[in-house]
Amino acid sequence: DADVTQTPRNRITKTGKRIMLECSQTKGHDRMYWYRQDPGLGLRLIYYSFDVKDINKGEISDGYSVSRQAQAKFSLSLESAIPNQTALYFCATSDPTLGGAARETQYFGPGTRLLVL
Amino acid sequence: AQSVAQPEDQVNVAEGNPLTVKCTYSVSGNPYLFWYVQYPNRGLQFLLKYITGDNLVKGSYGFEAEFNKSQTSFHLKKPSALVSDSALYFCAVRVDTGRRALTFGSGTRLQVQP
Repeated sequence: DADVTQTPRNRITKTGKRIMLECSQTKGHDRMYWYRQDPGLGLRLIYYSFDVKDINKGEISDGYSVSRQAQAKFSLSLESAIPNQTALYFCATSDPTLGGAARETQYFGPGTRLLVL
Repeated sequence: AQSVAQPEDQVNVAEGNPLTVKCTYSVSGNPYLFWYVQYPNRGLQFLLKYITGDNLVKGSYGFEAEFNKSQTSFHLKKPSALVSDSALYFCAVRVDTGRRALTFGSGTRLQVQP
């Protein structure tokens, strides 16, 4: 979805390096998410943010941190990258709808492919 | 806890034939179910969702899915497959209580042969 952009699209880094993945959206959505995708495991939630001051850990937050700089921007950082963080990372957004958060559709960015050597 | 199972890693079907991609779920509470598709080097695209009401949900690109509460299933279907439908398909579930995020299945690769 062109309304959700991720930079960089591809990144190679070395073990121990700090890197940041960035996500921007023009959809005007309040809620933003970071997932990682590994073959055979589907997508797993790393962090999510329901607004600028509301950040929550997902199921696999260890080794990651996030920053919600504005409604439109949500960054994911790997403080000290390790090889098992090699994966495809997706940012997603959603907007509260009538009937509750569970009904929301999430819209995904194109992904960042990260390789940690 | 909530979980989703996609029992087939890959589904092969000939162009023009009907296709089914299977999904079963486990939740405590009322489920909200989603299907997404991922084309090579692309992000996930939303196909359809079941919230309430009619058990047969119609979505994008001619896909539909049937919610079956007794079998806890939400299989994705299309009457006539196209080669361009070849992609990776993900089922996801969320319950209507609390602030739970989406839980995704492991994905099923659909291969449509000409």
